[in-house]
Amino acid sequence: KNEVEQSPQNLTAQEGEFITINCSYSVGISALHWLQQHPGGGIVSLFMLSSGKKKHGRLIATINIQEKHSSLHITASHPRDSAVYICAVRQGTGNQFYFGTGTSLTVIP
Amino acid sequence: IAGITQAPTSQILAAGRRMTLRCTQDMRHNAMYWYRQDLGLGLRLIHYSNTAGTTGKGEVPDGYSVSRANTDDFPLTLASAVPSQTSVYFCASSDSVLLFDYGYTFGSGTRLTVV
Repeated sequence: KNEVEQSPQNLTAQEGEFITINCSYSVGISALHWLQQHPGGGIVSLFMLSSGKKKHGRLIATINIQEKHSSLHITASHPRDSAVYICAVRQGTGNQFYFGTGTSLTVIP
Repeated sequence: IAGITQAPTSQILAAGRRMTLRCTQDMRHNAMYWYRQDLGLGLRLIHYSNTAGTTGKGEVPDGYSVSRANTDDFPLTLASAVPSQTSVYFCASSDSVLLFDYGYTFGSGTRLTVV
């Protein structure tokens, strides 16, 4: 049973497009984590948030606790943004996260 | 360069053999984790350690054991490997104080094939 659902599963965009990746979860959470997995397999932590919005460069993450939904936006997308984007949620105060299966993004030049 | 080192990067292992995956971090992070990643499934937590000297079971702990003798090292042992343990294994760490600022740091992964 996966309590974290991501959409879309696959996404192809033209360079420069504004991209949105969605994450929905079914349980109460204390934190939500967005990660990026490069084609070579390496995983990078992008954002950890529990409310509101965070921005880093061209990446913006938002979360709506009442609707149990988070979005990751990429502005002015670039081919180097091509990766799998993973959402994970934490319940309670522990360090354990439950991960979605990821959204595979391909940005075409 | 600060980060996590995993070894080996890949391994083919005969079923029934014992194997230890190594993980070392140099960031003095309190918490460390082992995840496995399988096609079509999200990362799943195997074991974790909130601080040196303590360990805990994650979502899929069966067939695996860990130890945390010091802050830096967190080895994962498969006592008797089975084909269903074929996976990519990621070690990660986090500083519980700075969790919301820095999230996790991941190792580059170990690709294990059990035949």
